[in-house]
Amino acid sequence: EIVLTQSPGTLSLSPGERATLSCRASQSVSSSYLAWYQQKPGQAPRLLIYGASSRATGIPDRFSGSGSGTDFTLTISRLEPEDFAMYYCQQYGSSPPFTFGGGTKVEIK
Amino acid sequence: QVQLVQSGAEVKKPGASVKVSCKVSGYSLSDLSMHWVRQAPGKGLEWMGGFDPEDVQTIYAQKFQGRVTMTEDTSTDTAHMELSSLRSEDTAVYYCATGSGDLDYWGQGTLVTVSS
Repeated sequence: EIVLTQSPGTLSLSPGERATLSCRASQSVSSSYLAWYQQKPGQAPRLLIYGASSRATGIPDRFSGSGSGTDFTLTISRLEPEDFAMYYCQQYGSSPPFTFGGGTKVEIK
Repeated sequence: QVQLVQSGAEVKKPGASVKVSCKVSGYSLSDLSMHWVRQAPGKGLEWMGGFDPEDVQTIYAQKFQGRVTMTEDTSTDTAHMELSSLRSEDTAVYYCATGSGDLDYWGQGTLVTVSS
């Protein structure tokens, strides 16, 4: 099973700043089957990025994903007030099992 | 547009079983790969299992093997997740979600509380 480690655990930033979130896999993620999700309190997760770098439908272009192999990054170019939330990476390979990272909280500084 | 609507909150005693339902609309369940994810209070997301279209079978996370059963009723477009031998650590919000690996549609979640 692939283990995903996200860092940092918490990111304290101000609106307008750039956020860089990391997701490292214990072994190579095949074909960049890596997704990022945003979750706000009391809500279900929302898909942001799939295939490591493709934005899901309706996701603003300030969100971008990059990386391959074992190292992946989610970047939020300029934080908007609504971007302060939890973020999770997920690997989904070519077939299950799938795994999630432990999450990064982006909080207002 | 796929919509997933889950059954309501449940309170169960330790040792009991719970069955959570997920009704699909806007698409046929037989054309979707359904997965189940849970989230304990204040914790992260945990994938429990889901349908593998390549092997045409449901795959369960090793942690839940023998305790979880995921089924589908295509006549009503409803997916079910049953978890048995409940313990307090199973207290969580349970989500159904669908997509081709990346999960782009999610239910609203069902809170299952295990308490004596």
